[in-house]
Amino acid sequence: GNSVTQMEGPVTLSEEAFLTINCTYTATGYPSLFWYVQYPGEGLQLLLKATKADDKGSNKGFEATYRKETTSFHLEKGSVQVSDSAVYFCALTLYNQGGKLIFGQGTELSVKP
Amino acid sequence: EAGVAQSPRYKIIEKRQSVAFWCNPISGHATLYWYQQILGQGPKLLIQFQNNGVVDDSQLPKDRFSAERLKGVDSTLKIQPAKLEDSAVYLCASSLAGELFFGEGSRLTVL
Repeated sequence: GNSVTQMEGPVTLSEEAFLTINCTYTATGYPSLFWYVQYPGEGLQLLLKATKADDKGSNKGFEATYRKETTSFHLEKGSVQVSDSAVYFCALTLYNQGGKLIFGQGTELSVKP
Repeated sequence: EAGVAQSPRYKIIEKRQSVAFWCNPISGHATLYWYQQILGQGPKLLIQFQNNGVVDDSQLPKDRFSAERLKGVDSTLKIQPAKLEDSAVYLCASSLAGELFFGEGSRLTVL
C-alpha cells in the first residue's frame, strides 16, 4: 500500500543549527510529495511541495528534493529559528486519488534560543 | 480570504454519548475532507466529498461515524456512540486545484 515514514521526534536544536527531517515513502505509481507544518494552536499549513522526480520544493528557507531512486523527500533548513518550532508532516498524494493526502506520523521540532 | 472554519474547538463527552462537528470550507472549494488525527500520529482520511457527493469513505467506521455535506457547502461529522479510541483531533480541509487548506480542528476527548 501507499505510506509515508518520517524520522521520530522530538528533535531539539539550538537556534541557527542545521535541520534535517527524514521522510521516505512507498507508493504505487508516481506521487506528489508535500511537507506540511503545524504551529502550536494552529491548523496544518502547506510548507512546500514537489510533483515529480528531482523537483526541489522551497519556502521560508526550507527545502526538500524529490528523490525517486531513494524514495525520499527529506526536509532541510540551513539555520533554524525559534519560530520554526512546530510539528512537521510529510505527505503524498497520487494523481488518481482525488487529491487525498497520506501523511507520515509527524516530527516535532523544538528550537532553543 | 476567510479560511476553513470548524466548531466546536473542544468537546469532552462520556463514552456512548454522541457528538457532532461542523465545518465551513473556503468559499468556492468543491472538495471537502474530514481527517482524524490521533495524538502522536499523522492525520488519517475519514471521508472525502466532491460537492455534495461522497468520493471516498473507505476509512470511515460507518457503524458509528456519519458525515454529510448538504448543498455542497457546509459539512457535519457525527459520532454515535463514541468510544474511548475516538479521542482525537478532527480536521476539516477543503481544496481547489489540488491544494488542501485545513481548519484548526476540533479536539474530542472521550472519557
